Amino acid sequence: SQTIHQWPATLVQPVGSPLSLECTVEGTSNPNLYWYRQAAGRGLQLLFYSVGIGQISSEVPQNLSASRPQDRQFILSSKKLLLSDSGFYLCAWSVPASGRSTMSEQFFGPGTRLTVL
Amino acid sequence: AQSVTQLGSHVSVSEGALVLLRCNYSSSVPPYLFWYVQYPNQGLQLLLKYTTGATLVKGINGFEAEFKKSETSFHLTKPSAHMSDAAEYFCAVSHLRPGNTGKLIFGQGTTLQVKP
Repeated sequence: SQTIHQWPATLVQPVGSPLSLECTVEGTSNPNLYWYRQAAGRGLQLLFYSVGIGQISSEVPQNLSASRPQDRQFILSSKKLLLSDSGFYLCAWSVPASGRSTMSEQFFGPGTRLTVL
Repeated sequence: AQSVTQLGSHVSVSEGALVLLRCNYSSSVPPYLFWYVQYPNQGLQLLLKYTTGATLVKGINGFEAEFKKSETSFHLTKPSAHMSDAAEYFCAVSHLRPGNTGKLIFGQGTTLQVKP
């Protein structure tokens, strides 16, 4: 069966420090991968998605970047954190839609709670 | 373009009462619709989905939703609320068209409170 992992689970970082959040998926190949952020009291904001190794699409301009060095690994990074980067970060995966007759749902990881002080 | 509106950011019901969470969508192509639930400090879990076929969809934990094309709605219901249903609920829409990367458009979420 497929599983998705995120780490760390919680992180407290000072303003201006770098960030690296990791997401890995097991039990599937060539998944679509997504990074979302949930700020306090707000809905989910799609930050990045990837349809393959090295292929990253950004949904909103921001202080963050993403990379996909391996098929089932998705990394969210920042060189210098801002206070506004605080939030709950969720990684998700889905089966690519091409060649399928139905839409795959997205499967979410457990999330990383980031607090920037 | 697609969008989702969840009416009511907070809904409060008594234990045993009917749960109704509203979701309206906008889509220029046949939509695929989803409901997710999120418990505090956890990821999202799929409750149910509508892709094609039967418009009344049954999900986990006794929830169901009905796709009504004429009303562009996909409301979530449960006949009798349980304390464990207290959580945040998200409606989402997508579509199956060439070039779609499986992105979901989420509503802002509805927090369900269940009172004893």
